[in-house]
Amino acid sequence: NAGVMQNPRHLVRRRGQEARLRCSPMKGHSHVYWYRQLPEEGLKFMVYLQKENIIDESGMPKERFSAEFPKEGPSILRIQQVVRGDSAAYFCASSPSRIDTQYFGPGTRLTVL
Amino acid sequence: KNEVEQSPQNLTAQEGEFITINCSYSVGISALHWLQQHPGGGIVSLFMLSSGKKKHGRLIATINIQEKHSSLHITASHPRDSAVYICAVRVEGGATNKLIFGTGTLLAVQP
Repeated sequence: NAGVMQNPRHLVRRRGQEARLRCSPMKGHSHVYWYRQLPEEGLKFMVYLQKENIIDESGMPKERFSAEFPKEGPSILRIQQVVRGDSAAYFCASSPSRIDTQYFGPGTRLTVL
Repeated sequence: KNEVEQSPQNLTAQEGEFITINCSYSVGISALHWLQQHPGGGIVSLFMLSSGKKKHGRLIATINIQEKHSSLHITASHPRDSAVYICAVRVEGGATNKLIFGTGTLLAVQP
């Protein structure tokens, strides 16, 4: 059973470009979470999705950020018009149910030039 | 004040020593996680606790719900245990399943 997959592992974007981060949860997991780790800071919750539904997006910046988890395919975290402050490691986690352990992916390290 | 506090922030130990990392939280929780992160690396879930004690190899995690406190112990520490250890709590109630994280404890085990 493969673990949580994230791609790309490293992403470089110039200011104003779009960044798309993908997360494939573990097999059988329908709950996906996105977290952000800014340089020298701790992890912060961004959004919690369950197949086709956003359950909690209280940690998402109000503008430029969006997330989806379609019926088929990976979850996508999309950042439009990136700025240098978006440079961070973005981690995805998945779980089979709301109360189970969350398993983390390897992260996508976004660098905005 | 952070809702999840860890201590110490940094810890240096000699190989073989017994290590304790502490976590205190101020919110009602349904579960507490201990995570391990190597520098520049991914995050590994070590334990999820809602009560009592769990053991896996040389790692032991305990939680006291009444005192809102958890500890992670490492017995017979080894240089490969060097990493950041992160405490995270799942807030109780509601539809959300989000985790709130401590700032982490950087552990260095010297040979």
